[in-house]
Amino acid sequence: DAGVTQSPTHLIKTRGQQVTLRCSPKSGHDTVSWYQQALGQGPQFIFQYYEEEERQRGNFPDRFSGHQFPNYSSELNVNALLLGDSALYLCASSLGQEQFFGPGTRLTVL
Amino acid sequence: QKEVEQDPGPLSVPEGAIVSLNCTYSNSAFQYFMWYRQYSRKGPELLMYTYSSGNKEDGRFTAQVDKSSKYISLFIRDSQPSDSATYLCAMSPPLGQGAQKLVFGQGTRLTINP
Repeated sequence: DAGVTQSPTHLIKTRGQQVTLRCSPKSGHDTVSWYQQALGQGPQFIFQYYEEEERQRGNFPDRFSGHQFPNYSSELNVNALLLGDSALYLCASSLGQEQFFGPGTRLTVL
Repeated sequence: QKEVEQDPGPLSVPEGAIVSLNCTYSNSAFQYFMWYRQYSRKGPELLMYTYSSGNKEDGRFTAQVDKSSKYISLFIRDSQPSDSATYLCAMSPPLGQGAQKLVFGQGTRLTINP
């Protein structure tokens, strides 16, 4: 059984550009959450998707948006990139309370 | 003040030692408590998951939750060099069904020396 997968692994963008990150949940999981992890910090909750709707949102600006597809996979979009958006972006999938994380996408904004 | 406080370390101990990792929190609504292990440049791996107060043991790992003190702990017995990683505590409130947002501590960097 494949775990949570994310693509791409690494990404380098310049300020002002837009980026899309992708996540496939564990088989049978219907909920996807996205987190941002800055270097040396714990992950910060961005938002959560369930049944193709955003169910909860953390303290992130509207530049961060997402989508969930009928097969439960998800995308995270970030517009107008800032240097401060450089981080590891983690996707977690769940069926109940336990959340399982993917390997992350490391985004560098120059 | 952060909702979840965790000493970032680093913490360095000899192989075979008992390791104690701790977090404190301020939100009394938290009901679900987790410990994740994160190796360098990897995603967090779920180690332990507990609901409300009490102890839970899994092999060399023991998780304790003291809701009256708003304090959680993870103990690692017979520590091994492969346990060297960053340990993250995380917690969430019981809002309806399904998983809710996790609030993480900063993580404690642990090194086990052979």
